Amino acid sequence: DTGVSQDPRHKITKRGQNVTFRCDPISEHNRLYWYRQTLGQGPEFLTYFQNEAQLEKSRLLSDRFSAERPKGSFSTLEIQRTEQGDSAMYLCASSLSSGTGFYGYTFGSGTRLTVV
Amino acid sequence: TQLLEQSPQFLSIQEGENLTVYCNSSSVFSSLQWYRQEPGEGPVLLVTVVTGGEVKKLKRLTFQFGDARKDSSLHITAAQPGDTGLYLCAGPPSGTYKYIFGTGTRLKVLA
Repeated sequence: DTGVSQDPRHKITKRGQNVTFRCDPISEHNRLYWYRQTLGQGPEFLTYFQNEAQLEKSRLLSDRFSAERPKGSFSTLEIQRTEQGDSAMYLCASSLSSGTGFYGYTFGSGTRLTVV
Repeated sequence: TQLLEQSPQFLSIQEGENLTVYCNSSSVFSSLQWYRQEPGEGPVLLVTVVTGGEVKKLKRLTFQFGDARKDSSLHITAAQPGDTGLYLCAGPPSGTYKYIFGTGTRLKVLA
């Protein structure tokens, strides 16, 4: 297993266009998370899946954002009608959690989105 | 609302110096993790502390979890340029599964 993979690494798009990012988690991890990080700040939670079920969405995730995790494996994050404020690093992480035990995430390298 | 405050925000030191980074909260955390992030990359997990008062060592890095599980510190001995990066504490407040990140400490170690 090569860890958490994200694609693409970089995306430049014009305002108003739609973009889709992909995340492939560590295969045995049942939880998958999306975070957004702006320059110099810590990551902010966007949404979280346990297997294929999306269990929580942050209020940061406006109607223009949608995430899926079909079959509980890879996940996609789509942003419709992009705005300049969407420019950020989008990070995916996965973890193996059971009960209340939790010991940290494995992050991907992120997708840096620039909206021009 | 940001529940994890880190200090200092920025730190620039000479190679060989020691430093401590603090992570504080008014909330109790089930566990705390420390990550280091380099530009253009995702955060990399350094350590997890779970028990109040716990101390963990990772080579020149010493991590401590406060007795009340509301704070943590990271001490680096004899810093090296390779330690340069953004250090983040993170964890789930007790009673929640929501995982939040601290404000981050950007460290630069000059050769």
